Amino acid sequence: GNSVTQMEGPVTLSEEAFLTINCTYTATGYPSLFWYVQYPGEGLQLLLKATKADDKGSNKGFEATYRKETTSFHLEKGSVQVSDSAVYFCALVSSGTYKYIFGTGTRLKVLA
Amino acid sequence: GAGVSQSPSNKVTEKGKDVELRCDPISGHTALYWYRQSLGQGLEFLIYFQGNSAPDKSGLPSDRFSAERTGGSVSTLTIQRTQQEDSAVYLCASSLAIGGADTDTQYFGPGTRLTVL
Repeated sequence: GNSVTQMEGPVTLSEEAFLTINCTYTATGYPSLFWYVQYPGEGLQLLLKATKADDKGSNKGFEATYRKETTSFHLEKGSVQVSDSAVYFCALVSSGTYKYIFGTGTRLKVLA
Repeated sequence: GAGVSQSPSNKVTEKGKDVELRCDPISGHTALYWYRQSLGQGLEFLIYFQGNSAPDKSGLPSDRFSAERTGGSVSTLTIQRTQQEDSAVYLCASSLAIGGADTDTQYFGPGTRLTVL
């Protein structure tokens, strides 16, 4: 079955450090891939998405590239801020289906 | 515009009681989803609706859980005879439709935190 694997957290970085959160997936066909973010006390928000191989999703300085050859969708940001502290979820959905598969989430803590 | 709303935001109940959780999706969104987020766990898919129909209920943890949707809009998730292991945050999400790449994006509500004593 489909699955998403994320690196375990928590990830603790200093402000302006480079961020990578790894995400790999297993899926049949060609899924759409997502990163969602959950800020403290808030609901999940879509951060970025990519719907086909080699697509790059980007938003708020975050980027992730859909790599079919490595079945990965790693999240990166060149310079994190304290306000980026949150839990990040990688997710997929196979085209034409309803069942979204989420990773277990990675907590990011950015220190000033 | 209005996002997905859920009520109540917090619910504390005693073991054995029934609870109802409500979700109001974004207007015009035909697909609606329920998830459960337990402490330290990822999101567990429970059920989805396309319109008022729930084609697959296999994600519901037990027969104490049920959900319905009326008028293609509001949905309620009911948990009967609650148990302590039901304590979690219950999240609702909606999307325009199912199947198209541009319509796959889900928009989440703030969740209902359920605590069963």
